[in-house]
Amino acid sequence: SQTIHQWPATLVQPVGSPLSLECTVEGTSNPNLYWYRQAAGRGLQLLFYSVGIGQISSEVPQNLSASRPQDRQFILSSKKLLLSDSGFYLCALRILYGYTFGSGTRLTVV
Amino acid sequence: ILNVEQSPQSLHVQEGDSTNFTCSFPSSNFYALHWYRWETAKSPEALFVMTLNGDEKKKGRISATLNTKEGYSYLYIKGSQPEDSATYLCAFLEYGNKLVFGAGTILRVKS
Repeated sequence: SQTIHQWPATLVQPVGSPLSLECTVEGTSNPNLYWYRQAAGRGLQLLFYSVGIGQISSEVPQNLSASRPQDRQFILSSKKLLLSDSGFYLCALRILYGYTFGSGTRLTVV
Repeated sequence: ILNVEQSPQSLHVQEGDSTNFTCSFPSSNFYALHWYRWETAKSPEALFVMTLNGDEKKKGRISATLNTKEGYSYLYIKGSQPEDSATYLCAFLEYGNKLVFGAGTILRVKS
């Protein structure tokens, strides 16, 4: 069965520092992968999705970037964090009609 | 930009009350409609994935209906319990890969 791993669970970073959140999947090949964010008081917003290695689609302009260096690895990055980057980040894997979500990362930028 | 709207934004009910929420979505490029139960800072818990117009699904006290032609889905909770308190998200899966979420309905059930 497919599983999705996301880390770290929580992160506190100073403004201006870099960011790297990693998501890996098991039990499937060539998955569609997604990064979502929940900002304070808001719903889940799609940030990036990837249908294959090196293929990234960005949904909203922002201070973040994503990369897909390997088939089962999806990375969310920033060169310099802003206060507004704080939030709860979720990685997701699409399986036919359904989605499986990682356990999430709570990022606080201070 | 895809627009998925949910109403009401929040709902406070007494234990034992029945409730319902609405999700509206684009009627074109429809692939599937998802309902999730979500507690903040946790992974969303899948409730239903609905793909066919007229679909009705049930899981215990929770049920959902789907109308793809007019672009809406209803989620019903019968006999609400305090443990039903959560945010209920609907999400539209567009043909071509993207799952777009509504802002959610926050349900609080008082005992």
